[in-house]
Amino acid sequence: GAVVSQHPSRVICKSGTSVKIECRSLDFQATTMFWYRQFPKQSLMLMATSNEGSKATYEQGVEKDKFLINHASLTLSTLTVTSAHPEDSSFYICSAWGQGGHGGNTIYFGEGSWLTVV
Amino acid sequence: GENVEQHPSTLSVQEGDSAVIKCTYSDSASNYFPWYKQELGKRPQLIIDIRSNVGEKKDQRIAVTLNKTAKHFSLHITETQPEDSAVYFCAELYGGSQGNLIFGKGTKLSVKP
Repeated sequence: GAVVSQHPSRVICKSGTSVKIECRSLDFQATTMFWYRQFPKQSLMLMATSNEGSKATYEQGVEKDKFLINHASLTLSTLTVTSAHPEDSSFYICSAWGQGGHGGNTIYFGEGSWLTVV
Repeated sequence: GENVEQHPSTLSVQEGDSAVIKCTYSDSASNYFPWYKQELGKRPQLIIDIRSNVGEKKDQRIAVTLNKTAKHFSLHITETQPEDSAVYFCAELYGGSQGNLIFGKGTKLSVKP
């Protein structure tokens, strides 16, 4: 099946700095990628929809100036957490639609990135 | 907005027993409902999914049922094993065939040997 790779898997940064997380579709093109955030013991919450060649669509309550999304190619979307604060510490995970095993499309998740802001 | 309610939040069963997790969705136009298993610190793993043109789907010990009229779907795990212990999420596809998933709050399943 399709593979979505995310990097880094873990990152620790100082409060006030910025962190970039990459999401790549390795063997397929993804015009749309989704970014989720998951706090400990909670569900996955959609942050934004990343669209290749155009602006991302943010969910209500997600600051677009804080969570910068760039989808410059059909295989790469990046999420940059700017001026990170401890409350931004979370598990960030991306996903994209790819060809499924039975001919239909299936959504594939990246490995996820643990962000700790100290 | 769209919402998926999932119950129970925690479920403890004895090894060999069955486990059932239920979800209710709000958008009658939704037509794709996947179930994910997530182990701590890892990405969600698709374990089974169902589309609105069928009412039930089975894959070995796992089955999913869908009631479109009532707008609810359920995950059934039979002959549970300790390795089934994880958090399970139901989801609803929103926004068309290439849309995003809306997740339930999750069910922590514990299977006791």
